[in-house]
Amino acid sequence: IAGITQAPTSQILAAGRRMTLRCTQDMRHNAMYWYRQDLGLGLRLIHYSNTAGTTGKGEVPDGYSVSRANTDDFPLTLASAVPSQTSVYFCASSVAAGGRNEQFFGPGTRLTVL
Amino acid sequence: GQNIDQPTEMTATEGAIVQINCTYQTSGFNGLFWYQQHAGEAPTFLSYNVLDGLEEKGRFSSFLSRSKGYSYLLLKELQMKDSASYLCAATDSNYQLIWGAGTKLIIKP
Repeated sequence: IAGITQAPTSQILAAGRRMTLRCTQDMRHNAMYWYRQDLGLGLRLIHYSNTAGTTGKGEVPDGYSVSRANTDDFPLTLASAVPSQTSVYFCASSVAAGGRNEQFFGPGTRLTVL
Repeated sequence: GQNIDQPTEMTATEGAIVQINCTYQTSGFNGLFWYQQHAGEAPTFLSYNVLDGLEEKGRFSSFLSRSKGYSYLLLKELQMKDSASYLCAATDSNYQLIWGAGTKLIIKP
């Protein structure tokens, strides 16, 4: 693994189903983030984690949950998917939260909820 | 409220110079980032400004005025590969990034 990876690359999901998007980084970064990107809108923060064992809510957390059991992994779960959750989801990480710590992004997961 | 404004789309000619503007309004301010995003790909870091002034990095430069809540990204000697979206993001008092919708830059030969 080099950098930050996400799985799956894309997924079509029936409404009401549960789905977990996976994110793994091998850079030993403390902070990790989940964003969604929709056409015409900026990246919107869903949840974040400043360090392993802690998580926080971003701008649009409803319908999503996260966990951070270790440094490397930060899965995002949709408990019961709805069509409005159709989006491109990006996972990102940074050495630490804040300051000039640039965020490194995974390749994204394109999710369609029907 | 928190807000980032940048033009939706710009067009420029190969070899020319283009300036992409960004105005921001955040609760607290801890720096401003510019990212590049090619279609279908992830954003990648271009620059970071926290003090007023110009930061130059090769063909790309970024400027910040904290008193005006204003930044710009300057791209010189444009190449076709510079066709992409350019995202402005300001760091708020909680150190979270507030993102603009991005400026799609189209380069014509």
